[in-house]
Amino acid sequence: DAGVIQSPRHEVTEMGQEVTLRCKPISGHNSLFWYRQTMMRGLELLIYFNNNVPIDDSGMPEDRFSAKMPNASFSTLKIQPSEPRDSAVYFCASSRRETQYFGPGTRLLVL
Amino acid sequence: GIQVEQSPPDLILQEGANSTLRCNFSDSVNNLQWFHQNPWGQLINLFYIPSGTKQNGRLSATTVATERYSLLYISSSQTTDSGVYFCAFRNNFNKFYFGSGTKLNVKP
Repeated sequence: DAGVIQSPRHEVTEMGQEVTLRCKPISGHNSLFWYRQTMMRGLELLIYFNNNVPIDDSGMPEDRFSAKMPNASFSTLKIQPSEPRDSAVYFCASSRRETQYFGPGTRLLVL
Repeated sequence: GIQVEQSPPDLILQEGANSTLRCNFSDSVNNLQWFHQNPWGQLINLFYIPSGTKQNGRLSATTVATERYSLLYISSSQTTDSGVYFCAFRNNFNKFYFGSGTKLNVKP
């Protein structure tokens, strides 16, 4: 199995630009999670989906962030407009039951 | 609010030593997991353990849900065990909470 796939692995952008992060979960998994990790705030759950439906988006910081899961094999996390404080590593994880499997992360730098 | 406290925050071990990491939580747990983040940033699930004891090689974990804590045991530590260990749980309202982690450094 290829594991959870995230793209891009690194992204450098300028403040105000739109950023789209992508995630392909492990085939057969029905839950998908988006996390953000920073030195200041640690690991935070932003949103998670179950069977493509958002279950809890209370961790999404503000309206600039949106996440979609149009089908069982793909999800996006979009930031528009991006700000320097959005700089972080963004992880996607998927699970079939309870055990979560993480992708390698996308390192985002907003200048 | 919900609290997830991990201790110790930092730990330095000599290779071969044993250690116990602790996770205290302030709510009823529906799902408790231990993760390891290696020095390169990769996150790996170690245990899903809402209650009871599990073992996987040199690692084992015990969760006592009624007393709201979980322990992760590392025996005969190796340098590859270095990194940050997180506990996380989902409560009965499907909210997830993460601890701030225990940073482990195993010296050769």
